Amino acid sequence: SSELTQDPAVSVALGQTVRITCQGDSLRGRYASWYQQKPGQAPVLVFYGKNSRPSGIPDRFSGSTSGNTTSLTITGAQAEDEADYFCNSRDNSGNQPVFGGGTKLTVL
Amino acid sequence: EMQLVESGGGLVKPGGSLRLSCAASGFTFSSYTMNWVRQAPGKGLEWVSSISSSSNYIYYADSVKGRFTISRDNAKNSLYLQMNSLRADDTAVYYCVRESRMATLAGALYIYYYYMDVWGKGNTVTVSS
Repeated sequence: SSELTQDPAVSVALGQTVRITCQGDSLRGRYASWYQQKPGQAPVLVFYGKNSRPSGIPDRFSGSTSGNTTSLTITGAQAEDEADYFCNSRDNSGNQPVFGGGTKLTVL
Repeated sequence: EMQLVESGGGLVKPGGSLRLSCAASGFTFSSYTMNWVRQAPGKGLEWVSSISSSSNYIYYADSVKGRFTISRDNAKNSLYLQMNSLRADDTAVYYCVRESRMATLAGALYIYYYYMDVWGKGNTVTVSS
């Protein structure tokens, strides 16, 4: 299957660490990318590849991959991190992008 | 500043057609694969279509195959999406998105990975009678 599965919702206390996961068979041998989307705004790339963050993304955002699971970790979550997060990779053919269903992160 | 600006959305009746446009600026448009990604109200992101830099490779999601046509004009730094036979479930915000690619060496092999690094603000398409 080329589907990517994410937990619909995750919460974290302010300043604590949270991991958002994304699972799928098509992730094996591939790197995913992660996007943050706040209400009414376009998604923003926050992490990609083995260990890359776009310019301007805080270093509290990090990623990891193991087997069929990729994770986005926020170390020391801030109030402004409250958003929807989507993972993205390729389908099994490698030709078509596929998104996870998204995780709504609440910072308590 | 890299920028993507979509236009052409609006209200259309079921079975109707619309053509979305995306104007790119601030980067070498002709060097990048481009995508359309949509988001239905209250839902997640759905990839719609992609077109390689020279239009040699074109892909569509099964949900739009046969109804939508992606194209680009590198001389005009523009991306297009012709949408025909529109249905209510095509109602969404449509984003024009640049895709980048990098490679990393893993043992003796290169692993290519892709990421969508520049997004437009989106354009709303509403299909309703």
